[in-house]
Amino acid sequence: QLQLQESGPGLVKPSQTLSLTCTVSGGSVSSDDYYWSWVRQHPARGLEWIGYIYFSGSSYYSPSLRSRTSISVDTSKNQFSLKLTSVTAADTAVYYCARLVSDTSTFDIWGRGAMVTVSA
Amino acid sequence: QSALTQPASVSGSPGQSITISCTGTSNDVGRYDLVSWFQQHPGKAPKLIIFDVTKRPSGVSPRFSGSKSGSTASLTISGLQAEDEADYYCCSYAGRWFVVFGGGTKVSFL
Repeated sequence: QLQLQESGPGLVKPSQTLSLTCTVSGGSVSSDDYYWSWVRQHPARGLEWIGYIYFSGSSYYSPSLRSRTSISVDTSKNQFSLKLTSVTAADTAVYYCARLVSDTSTFDIWGRGAMVTVSA
Repeated sequence: QSALTQPASVSGSPGQSITISCTGTSNDVGRYDLVSWFQQHPGKAPKLIIFDVTKRPSGVSPRFSGSKSGSTASLTISGLQAEDEADYYCCSYAGRWFVVFGGGTKVSFL
């Protein structure tokens, strides 16, 4: 059974870069049937799509976050990563990594989530 | 891409059926049969319960069903049970590789 696990600092200072990694186990990030995604959830609020990447490196981002977001994939480590630059308190959220099925644009498997707080 | 519109809350009595709406536009829900629904309990990750408007993943209760009319998708929960109290989110493909979520609906008992 494929599992996803987020890792990274839980506290980031304002104006710095938020960096998270998602490790894929029980499956391969190199599968051509899936995209690898990031979704966030602000405290007590809804889900917000950040972006996703294909194993080839092709990536797609939410228009509202595109200028500050970069998603990369490391097939040798079976991981993919998120970088969000110039963070503010508004970026405080739980960050989820998720698998997106390419045929149906469905997020079918999710990680447990990583809480990231932006504070000095 | 604007968020899909869901009611903030829906309530029902145990055993009743409830329906949650998810309204988009002709560019997302209205154009693609690629609507999914997620259930989220407090402190937990979202769980996929419906995809491709009407399909249920293996292991999801048949009490959950999905439909779509025009630019509005709907999730119906039949025979409401205690464990159905949760937040529910819709999601749609919006073209040009974009995905958009709804704002979420809290389901509770009357």
